[in-house]
Amino acid sequence: NAGVMQNPRHLVRRRGQEARLRCSPMKGHSHVYWYRQLPEEGLKFMVYLQKENIIDESGMPKERFSAEFPKEGPSILRIQQVVRGDSAAYFCASSPRQDRSGNTIYFGEGSWLTVV
Amino acid sequence: RKEVEQDPGPFNVPEGATVAFNCTYSNSASQSFFWYRQDCRKEPKLLMSVYSSGNEDGRFTAQLNRASQYISLLIRDSKLSDSATYLCVVNRGNYGGSQGNLIFGKGTKLSVKP
Repeated sequence: NAGVMQNPRHLVRRRGQEARLRCSPMKGHSHVYWYRQLPEEGLKFMVYLQKENIIDESGMPKERFSAEFPKEGPSILRIQQVVRGDSAAYFCASSPRQDRSGNTIYFGEGSWLTVV
Repeated sequence: RKEVEQDPGPFNVPEGATVAFNCTYSNSASQSFFWYRQDCRKEPKLLMSVYSSGNEDGRFTAQLNRASQYISLLIRDSKLSDSATYLCVVNRGNYGGSQGNLIFGKGTKLSVKP
């Protein structure tokens, strides 16, 4: 029973390029969350999606960042025109239902983005 | 005030020591509380949920004081394998309408030495 799968695990981009991070939730999970962890910081909530819907994007930067979770395929976190400050670990998590409590959420191994 | 504040650490302790982590949170609407463990360059993993009555899992004991918005984690008889960063986590509750939205502390690094 595969867990939350993220790829790539490590990504290097030059300033100004685009970064695409993919997340396949656990089997049977239809709710996906993205978190960002800057160096020496705690994880910060970015966005919560269900299939084809963005439910809560209150943690997403206003520009350059977007997320989607199409009917078919993985969830994608897209960062356009990356800057050095985007260098971070990006964690995806999934849950089988709307998770108000935080009890049923499972994290992927993360994608480490380095902007040079 | 930060939403979740933890001891800055790092804690360097010998094997067998008892170590305590403290955490305070500011969101009174939070309903669920957790301790996560994160190893270097790995994902956070749930260590234990924290209940109002306090709960224990082997060498680990968690306490919650809702009135003072304070959470603690006690590790007894620490092992080398306990070395990690311990994250205090609360859910956002109904604040701002967010759902399934966890608030993480910055974590306290623990290093257990032989």
